[in-house]
Amino acid sequence: AQSVTQLGSHVSVSEGALVLLRCNYSSSVPPYLFWYVQYPNQGLQLLLKYTSAATLVKGINGFEAEFKKSETSFHLTKPSAHMSDAAEYFCAVSDSNFGNEKLTFGTGTRLTIIP
Amino acid sequence: KAGVTQTPRYLIKTRGQQVTLSCSPISGHRSVSWYQQTPGQGLQFLFEYFSETQRNKGNFPGRFSGRQFSNSRSEMNVSTLELGDSALYLCASSSGTSNSGELFFGEGSRLTVL
Repeated sequence: AQSVTQLGSHVSVSEGALVLLRCNYSSSVPPYLFWYVQYPNQGLQLLLKYTSAATLVKGINGFEAEFKKSETSFHLTKPSAHMSDAAEYFCAVSDSNFGNEKLTFGTGTRLTIIP
Repeated sequence: KAGVTQTPRYLIKTRGQQVTLSCSPISGHRSVSWYQQTPGQGLQFLFEYFSETQRNKGNFPGRFSGRQFSNSRSEMNVSTLELGDSALYLCASSSGTSNSGELFFGEGSRLTVL
């Protein structure tokens, strides 16, 4: 069974500071990994995805994540936080079997930006 | 192009009633997935439909059911509502053939059970 663990349900950073949101995965097959963002009263939006190509993945809004197999990690980073980054972030995993659209999500990390 | 549309956005029901939620996927998408989001359990997968067939199913009781129509629109039904069914129900669509995992989510239907 696949799973992801997000360390830290709440993270606060100052505007302009580095954003680091942690995600570790567990999967018995090569995983596909994703980061989604959810703004208040909205659905989820895909930030970026890893599908076994490059290990450093760049996404929208300046976010990026690095797949590290040795650490089973897929942490999300952004060099400089902006007020508009305040939202809840979810790490998710699916297996690489064709036709499997089922995602298993982590419990989420709420990011607060301090002015 | 239009995004994923869910109706209704908000609804209130009482215990024992049933509810039907609707989802219109992005044009051309053949896969529709449903997720339940609650503060305690987070995001949990309910089921996925592809070309009118249920392709994946999560660990929910039989009170939760769904279907997909020939135009890819999907409905989910919850019968004999319980207080614990109060949640945001999210629908997501995708092509269903690329296995990209890139799901496009609607804004959700927020169900309150009293």
